[in-house]
Amino acid sequence: GENVEQHPSTLSVQEGDSAVIKCTYSDSASNYFPWYKQELGKGPQLIIDIRSNVGEKKDQRIAVTLNKTAKHFSLHITETQPEDSAVYFCAAKGKIIFGKGTRLHILP
Amino acid sequence: DAGVTQSPTHLIKTRGQQVTLRCSPKSGHDTVSWYQQALGQGPQFIFQYYEEEERQRGNFPDRFSGHQFPNYSSELNVNALLLGDSALYLCASSLYSPGNQPQHFGDGTRLSIL
Repeated sequence: GENVEQHPSTLSVQEGDSAVIKCTYSDSASNYFPWYKQELGKGPQLIIDIRSNVGEKKDQRIAVTLNKTAKHFSLHITETQPEDSAVYFCAAKGKIIFGKGTRLHILP
Repeated sequence: DAGVTQSPTHLIKTRGQQVTLRCSPKSGHDTVSWYQQALGQGPQFIFQYYEEEERQRGNFPDRFSGHQFPNYSSELNVNALLLGDSALYLCASSLYSPGNQPQHFGDGTRLSIL
């Protein structure tokens, strides 16, 4: 069945460095790829999204890239800050399927 | 502008009982989706409601049912509760569109089954 795989499950980066989280999907009908940030005790918050007719999208320190041929998309966070520490989820829509999440730790 | 609100925030039930969770969508949104999030996992799609009808459903048994009211608010009902139903239940709202629209999540209801 449809599946979204997310890697890595945990990521630690020095403050100021970049972080990259990658997802692959199986359903070729997927056409919308949102990324969510979830802080402890809160619901997921949409941080950026990309549609299948676009290869890259950027919003300040956050960017997402999509490779439809390879069925993978990535989240890039530059100049990481302590407030970026959270769990990040990718999702693929056609049917609505989330990855299992990446716990990002920003080290001082 | 109120975001998505869910009630209650926490709930404790015993096996075999029934539970109803409630969701009010973000102002201006007409579509509500429900998700189950087990500890350490990503949200799993339960179903989506638009115009008071279930439009899509994930891989959940019939014990999970829902309802949407004319004011777009929604309820999730779970019957015959099992220990495995313990999870965070998230509601997300969006504007219905043939294309995909961003979903806004509430902070969830934490359901514990004893």
